[in-house]
Amino acid sequence: SQTIHQWPATLVQPVGSPLSLECTVEGTSNPNLYWYRQAAGRGLQLLFYSVGIGQISSEVPQNLSASRPQDRQFILSSKKLLLSDSGFYLCAWSHLWGDGYTFGSGTRLTVV
Amino acid sequence: QKEVEQDPGPLSVPEGAIVSLNCTYSNSAFQYFMWYRQYSRKGPELLMYTYSSGNKEDGRFTAQVDKSSKYISLFIRDSQPSDSATYLCAMTRGSNYQLIWGAGTKLIIKP
Repeated sequence: SQTIHQWPATLVQPVGSPLSLECTVEGTSNPNLYWYRQAAGRGLQLLFYSVGIGQISSEVPQNLSASRPQDRQFILSSKKLLLSDSGFYLCAWSHLWGDGYTFGSGTRLTVV
Repeated sequence: QKEVEQDPGPLSVPEGAIVSLNCTYSNSAFQYFMWYRQYSRKGPELLMYTYSSGNKEDGRFTAQVDKSSKYISLFIRDSQPSDSATYLCAMTRGSNYQLIWGAGTKLIIKP
C-alpha cells in the first residue's frame, strides 16, 4: 500500500532563517506531488506541484521554492523565512491531477 | 467570486443528528466532486469521490451532486462526536486539471 511521510511535524524558526521540509512517498512510482499551505481557519493554497523528477511548477510567487531530486521525494525550501510564511504545510500525492489526493500529516511552521 | 463557495461554520449539532454540509460552484465544466475530512492538526483524508450528478452512499455518509444547480452536499447520518472535524469539498473538470478547493466547514458534534 502507498504511504506518504512528511516531517517534521512541528517547527519554530526565527525570521531570516532557512527552511527545509521533506516529503517522501512509498509504494507507488511517478506520482504527482504537491505542496499546499493552509492558514488558520482557511482553505488549502496550492504552492507547488510536480509531475516528474526535476519538474516543478509554482502557483504562488513567494520566497519559497521546491525541488524533486528523486521520483518519490519532494522538498520545500526557503533561504530566508518571513513572518508571513507561518502556517500548516501539507504534502500530497496523486496519480493524476484530478484524482483523490493522499495527504501527509502536515508540518506546523511558526516563524518568530 | 470564488469558483467554489463553502460556509466555514462552525456548524454545531447534537449527537445523533443528521448533518448536511454543502458547497456551491460556478464552473459548469466540473465533473468530479470530492469530500475530505480533516481532523485538527492532521492532513485531509478523502471521504467520498463522485462523478457527475447523483448520489453515492458509504456507510453513514451520502454525497449528492446536483449539476443543474451547481450544488453538492455531504450528509452524515447518526452523527458521532468523532465526526467533529473540518470538511472540505474539492472538484475538477477531469484527471488533467487541478483540484479546486472549498474553504472547509468546521463541524462540531456535541455529546
